[in-house]
Amino acid sequence: DIQMTQSPSSLSASVGDSVTITCQASQDINFYLNWYQQKPGKAPKLLIYDVSNLATGVPSKFSGSGSGTDFTFTIRSLQPEDVATYYCQHYDNLPYSFGQGTKLEIK
Amino acid sequence: QVQLVESGGGVVQPGRSLRLSCVASGFSFSDYVMHWVRQAPGKGLEWVAVISYDGSNKYYADSVKGRFTISRDNSKDTLFLQMNSLSADDTAEYYCATEGEGGCSSISCYAYFQHWGQGTLVTVSS
Repeated sequence: DIQMTQSPSSLSASVGDSVTITCQASQDINFYLNWYQQKPGKAPKLLIYDVSNLATGVPSKFSGSGSGTDFTFTIRSLQPEDVATYYCQHYDNLPYSFGQGTKLEIK
Repeated sequence: QVQLVESGGGVVQPGRSLRLSCVASGFSFSDYVMHWVRQAPGKGLEWVAVISYDGSNKYYADSVKGRFTISRDNSKDTLFLQMNSLSADDTAEYYCATEGEGGCSSISCYAYFQHWGQGTLVTVSS
């Protein structure tokens, strides 16, 4: 089974900053890597699919890159509404799995 | 608009069973591969199970294999998760989710989870 390792596990940044989260797969997952945002008490929301494609309605301040085993997720111009936990998820083969999550807070 | 509504959660004793439902609307349910994902309190997301568009293929996480059964009734636009032999480790919010696109002839093709239900909480406790 493929393991997904996210870092950092938590992150604190100021309004207007850019932040980057990394996700490493235990083996090559090609481009089958997605990113989700989950706000407290809510269901996750798809932000990016297949490494770098923005989901419908997602602003371009969110972006993703990478290939193979190493991937990054970036938020530009951080705003208070971006406070959430962010997860990566692979779907190269079953069983699918998520990273452990990165909790983002505002300083 | 796409809507997924889960139900069937609650408090159940260890060893007992529970059946979750997820009613879909706003899209052609029978065209989409469907998944269950769960989240233990204060923990991360765990993928649980997938079922093909026609119900002919299913796959489970090792943690639930042999105890949980995913199924669907396309005539009623409903997804199910039958959970048997429950333990405290199964305590979680359970979400149903669609794949990103329909038209998948395999068990799973576009496993980016485009639409999610609001979740239903299962608590296993004596």
